[in-house]
Amino acid sequence: NAGVMQNPRHLVRRRGQEARLRCSPMKGHSHVYWYRQLPEEGLKFMVYLQKENIIDESGMPKERFSAEFPKEGPSILRIQQVVRGDSAAYFCASSQQRNTEAFFGQGTRLTVV
Amino acid sequence: KNEVEQSPQNLTAQEGEFITINCSYSVGISALHWLQQHPGGGIVSLFMLSSGKKKHGRLIATINIQEKHSSLHITASHPRDSAVYICAAPSHPSNSGYALNFGKGTSLLVTP
Repeated sequence: NAGVMQNPRHLVRRRGQEARLRCSPMKGHSHVYWYRQLPEEGLKFMVYLQKENIIDESGMPKERFSAEFPKEGPSILRIQQVVRGDSAAYFCASSQQRNTEAFFGQGTRLTVV
Repeated sequence: KNEVEQSPQNLTAQEGEFITINCSYSVGISALHWLQQHPGGGIVSLFMLSSGKKKHGRLIATINIQEKHSSLHITASHPRDSAVYICAAPSHPSNSGYALNFGKGTSLLVTP
């Protein structure tokens, strides 16, 4: 089991472009969480998904950000029309069930230039 | 929203010392989490605990539900323990899983 895989590890986008961040959960895990860590700040919860469903998106910015976790394939965090303030490390975590231990990916470092 | 406070913010210790990091939260919860973030940025979940005490190697986590307080202890600290330690709690009492509010972290440096 390769663990939670995030790709790309580093992503550079120009202002106005779209960023797509992928998270492949551990085998057998159907719960995925996304977090954002802005430079010099703590982690912030963004969204919690279970296969094909968004369970909690209370931490997602209202515009430009969306997330999905399709029946097949990785979970995707999509940021449209990126701005410099979106530059951050984005982490995902997966768990087998809602209340079981979650494992974190290595993160994607997004830089908007 | 569950406010999570950690102390100290920064901590320097000599190898072998016993280390304590404290965490308090404002809203009753089902479970509290301790995470470790390495200098390279990777995050590891250390503990998820809802009562009492848990031990893993040289790490011990305790929680007092009534006082809304948790501590992370490291015995016989080692330079490889140098990392940021983060406390996190569910944002709402009815929440579970990893929809969390995070503390700002404690940056630990253990010197030889």
